[in-house]
Amino acid sequence: EAQVTQNPRYLITVTGKKLTVTCSQNMNHEYMSWYRQDPGLGLRQIYYSMNVEVTDKGDVPEGYKVSRKEKRNFPLILESPSPNQTSLYFCASSLETVNNSPLHFGNGTRLTVT
Amino acid sequence: AQSVTQLDSQVPVFEEAPVELRCNYSSSVSVYLFWYVQYPNQGLQLLLKYLSGSTLVESINGFEAEFNKSQTSFHLRKPSVHISDTAEYFCAVGPDGGTSYGKLTFGQGTILTVHP
Repeated sequence: EAQVTQNPRYLITVTGKKLTVTCSQNMNHEYMSWYRQDPGLGLRQIYYSMNVEVTDKGDVPEGYKVSRKEKRNFPLILESPSPNQTSLYFCASSLETVNNSPLHFGNGTRLTVT
Repeated sequence: AQSVTQLDSQVPVFEEAPVELRCNYSSSVSVYLFWYVQYPNQGLQLLLKYLSGSTLVESINGFEAEFNKSQTSFHLRKPSVHISDTAEYFCAVGPDGGTSYGKLTFGQGTILTVHP
């Protein structure tokens, strides 16, 4: 089954403890992206990647890191999480650029930083 | 820079009534426009998109949206809603090429609740 898989679905952590949220797609998609969803703010793009070893900042990259060493994986890294990073995070992928092909979303990771 | 404004955060309607979810955008370049839908506890799914050509686009489940360049709008409509249409709907705008072709900007979302 074609899908975008995020892990974990739920995560509670403490301020300053490094964490990684994994994202994997099995559709051989070129493009991958991370978003955070907050009430009243919709989805905001954190980082995106057009291909392996190519990443770029979205609208809210501060406090996050990403890597794209393999085509299928696009992990989101929080080196020193803070409470304002408590949010619902979505990974998404598409075959080509977002204009030409639809985004496929994972089911989300709900992160709480205390 | 581009931006999207969804004018209603919540829209309650009764089953079989018509509905319109409003979306306005701003961009300095030509744009592509999208509506995505999010059902409870799920990720977003593409509902419909405007890339070029006819300004009226339709989805397979009865929704339609009209691109209005002069009013910079892309409102979503359905003539008769069902309980199963209850979800959150997101309007999004993507740049037409250029150096930021990977960026897709979403609106704040509109929660559509269909009552029996």
